[in-house]
Amino acid sequence: DIQMTQSPSTLSASVGDRVTITCRASQSISSWLAWYQQKPGKAPNLLIYKASSLESGVPSRFSGSGSGTEFTLTISSLQPDDFATYYCQQYNSYSLTFGGGTKVEIK
Amino acid sequence: EVQLVDSGGGLVQPGGSLRLSCATSGFTFSSFWMSWVRQAPGKGLEWVANINQHGSVEKYVDSVKGRFTISRDNAKNSLYLQMDTLRVEDTAVYYCARVDPGSGGYWDYWGQGTLVTVSS
Repeated sequence: DIQMTQSPSTLSASVGDRVTITCRASQSISSWLAWYQQKPGKAPNLLIYKASSLESGVPSRFSGSGSGTEFTLTISSLQPDDFATYYCQQYNSYSLTFGGGTKVEIK
Repeated sequence: EVQLVDSGGGLVQPGGSLRLSCATSGFTFSSFWMSWVRQAPGKGLEWVANINQHGSVEKYVDSVKGRFTISRDNAKNSLYLQMDTLRVEDTAVYYCARVDPGSGGYWDYWGQGTLVTVSS
């Protein structure tokens, strides 16, 4: 199985900060990567697919980049609604796997 | 409006069985691959199983192979997960999710989740 490693596991930031989360794959996954946001007690919400494509309805302050084994999710100006946990997920192989998650906390 | 409503969770003893259901509406259910994804308390997300549009192809994470069975009823717009020989480590919130049709691999809509607790 392809292992996905996210860093950091926790991030403390303030409203207005630029935030970057990294996701690394154990082998090349081309651009077959998605990012999700999850709030406590809620289902995940799709933000980005194919590494850099913004899902419809998602604010443009979210962006994704990368290919191969290294990917990033960037929030250009952190808003109060963005404090949540973020997960990357690869879909290069049929055995779909997630990163361990990055919790974005209020500083 | 696309809706997925999960149900069927509860408390079950180790070795027991449970059947989860996911009722869907707002889209042509028979045109989409569907999945179950779970999340243990305080932990991350784990894909569990996929099924194709016709129910003829099933895929599972290794840890549930031979114990869980994913199925669907396209006439009822519903997805199911039969869970047998349950273990304590199967305790989690289980989500049904729709697979994006263009990708085959990520999820664009999710149910609200149903909690399965395996404990004696």
